[in-house]
Amino acid sequence: GENVEQHPSTLSVQEGDSAVIKCTYSDSASNYFPWYKQELGKGPQLIIDIRSNVGEKKDQRIAVTLNKTAKHFSLHITETQPEDSAVYFCASLENSGYALNFGKGTSLLVTP
Amino acid sequence: ETGVTQTPRHLVMGMTNKKSLKCEQHLGHNAMYWYKQSAKKPLELMFVYSLEERVENNSVPSRFSPECPNSSHLFLHLHTLQPEDSALYLCASSQGPAAYNEQFFGPGTRLTVL
Repeated sequence: GENVEQHPSTLSVQEGDSAVIKCTYSDSASNYFPWYKQELGKGPQLIIDIRSNVGEKKDQRIAVTLNKTAKHFSLHITETQPEDSAVYFCASLENSGYALNFGKGTSLLVTP
Repeated sequence: ETGVTQTPRHLVMGMTNKKSLKCEQHLGHNAMYWYKQSAKKPLELMFVYSLEERVENNSVPSRFSPECPNSSHLFLHLHTLQPEDSALYLCASSQGPAAYNEQFFGPGTRLTVL
């Protein structure tokens, strides 16, 4: 099946700085790439997604970029705040259309 | 709250026990999912149900048995589990089973198998 690699596994930034999380995928047929945020004691929650027909998507302080040629996509968080501290998961859509392949997650800590 | 509830939130069971996890969604969705989340590993999709019919089963051992009596409820029946089955079990729902539909997750059941 699809292999999704996510880096880094942990990331610590100071409040106000930017954070970038990167993922690579192996299946060139993948066409949907969501990002989920999981806070302590809660399930993952979709924060942004991108489809293969666009290269970038932005929603306030969050943006995602996609490079289909290189098969990688990234999450960018600007002006980080302590409430951004969580585990972030990237994912790609498998051929079957039912299954998302998730990365292992990045634990982001934003220190005041 | 996401509109997806799971009970119990924590469960400790022995290897010979039989227990069930329950998930309920209040979003009017017609697809439901079970995932396994283990430390240092990606989320693993276990089962997908669409309109109460199972449409995906990712080679899950038979000691895990799902049940979807209606579009709002999903169960995971557990029997003769192994210690390596200890994990966070997450339920999710979406409008339609395709993975590009946003999935709404419950808070999970933390399962410990002794």
